Amino acid sequence: GAGVSQSPSNKVTEKGKDVELRCDPISGHTALYWYRQRLGQGLEFLIYFQGNSAPDKSGLPSDRFSAERTGESVSTLTIQRTQQEDSAVYLCASSREAGNTEAFFGQGTRLTVV
Amino acid sequence: RKEVEQDPGPFNVPEGATVAFNCTYSNSASQSFFWYRQDCRKEPKLLMSVYSSGNEDGRFTAQLNRASQYISLLIRDSKLSDSATYLCVVNISPGRRALTFGSGTRLQVQP
Repeated sequence: GAGVSQSPSNKVTEKGKDVELRCDPISGHTALYWYRQRLGQGLEFLIYFQGNSAPDKSGLPSDRFSAERTGESVSTLTIQRTQQEDSAVYLCASSREAGNTEAFFGQGTRLTVV
Repeated sequence: RKEVEQDPGPFNVPEGATVAFNCTYSNSASQSFFWYRQDCRKEPKLLMSVYSSGNEDGRFTAQLNRASQYISLLIRDSKLSDSATYLCVVNISPGRRALTFGSGTRLQVQP
């Protein structure tokens, strides 16, 4: 597709369950970012992938969070044993290069943990 | 101190007004700066990059002050459609490469 695609768009899960969120970046974009945005708050950096380099995981809030990316394509963000404080919109973005070019965002996955 | 700081607002201004936002960043080695716009319940989108010499795009002017470590966004002749949250975005550390977002400044343009 032309833009960054995320799925699902909405996810409601019970506390303690695992969830997997998917991001399809724009073709050819080597950089991919995951951010979290809680209601009424700013974007919180989670993890960043650049080509085949080791990912920057410095933003992951706990070891319940992990992410993978296959080459320069799809990425999945996994949250294990979800907690209510994980409820947020999870945004994925991609860019041609890292850090100094426009990042294009997907529409996000709205996660609600009940 | 936050890496990127913005006044959350809201800034309530009448149509046609000029409004300016500032954003400060903590790392003097930061190299790339942007303003993004986020509409309610939508994803952020690039408004404009910020260049060292300052740059203008229609009614929008962005400036960088490296000595004081802040960037600014000036909106002239505000339109109702300018109502949104404006996010200051910085590549905080060249070694880190990920973009760091401020919490945003909310603008409400009123008729």
